[in-house]
Amino acid sequence: GQQLNQSPQSMFIQEGEDVSMNCTSSSIFNTWLWYKQDPGEGPVLLIALYKAGELTSNGRLTAQFGITRKDSFLNISASIPSDVGIYFCAGRTGTASKLTFGTGTRLQVTL
Amino acid sequence: GAVVSQHPSWVICKSGTSVKIECRSLDFQATTMFWYRQFPKQSLMLMATSNEGSKATYEQGVEKDKFLINHASLTLSTLTVTSAHPEDSSFYICSARKRLGDNLNNEQFFGPGTRLTVL
Repeated sequence: GQQLNQSPQSMFIQEGEDVSMNCTSSSIFNTWLWYKQDPGEGPVLLIALYKAGELTSNGRLTAQFGITRKDSFLNISASIPSDVGIYFCAGRTGTASKLTFGTGTRLQVTL
Repeated sequence: GAVVSQHPSWVICKSGTSVKIECRSLDFQATTMFWYRQFPKQSLMLMATSNEGSKATYEQGVEKDKFLINHASLTLSTLTVTSAHPEDSSFYICSARKRLGDNLNNEQFFGPGTRLTVL
């Protein structure tokens, strides 16, 4: 089946630093989503991308839909302690409703 | 908004018993609801997709007779884990989607999850 690989698997950064993470696939997706999950909670939708090459921002977060349709990137600027959590990418193909989730990137922010 | 609730938030049961988890979309009608399972430090794995009034579509490897899904209305779906065993212990998360269409408001919104522990 389809797999979405995220990198890095985990990262430790200092407050105020910028963060970059990516998600790659062996097959094409026509929708990319980015979610954040806090411990013991369900994922929260951050950004949705629908067109190849699209660049979308949500506050300090910026995500891009790769032009090959096989990858997506998420950047967080000026990180703060509440950015701590696990970030998941998710992809959808065709008109299907279901999502395929990535392996996750665990972000730790130190003061 | 797009708020999804789950009940209970956690449950402990004895091996062999059945457990029912409810998922509700509180401020919207969901055309489709989804059930996921997440093991510690792992990603979300889709178990089944459920449309109101029809049978759920299960992912490969998920036993439909063990994980019973009922989608009785546009705002409620239930997952029943039958004859639960310790290996069924996991974090179960539901999501709901309003409708199809390329719009952030039409994407899957997740409930807070239910932690199941089977002794």
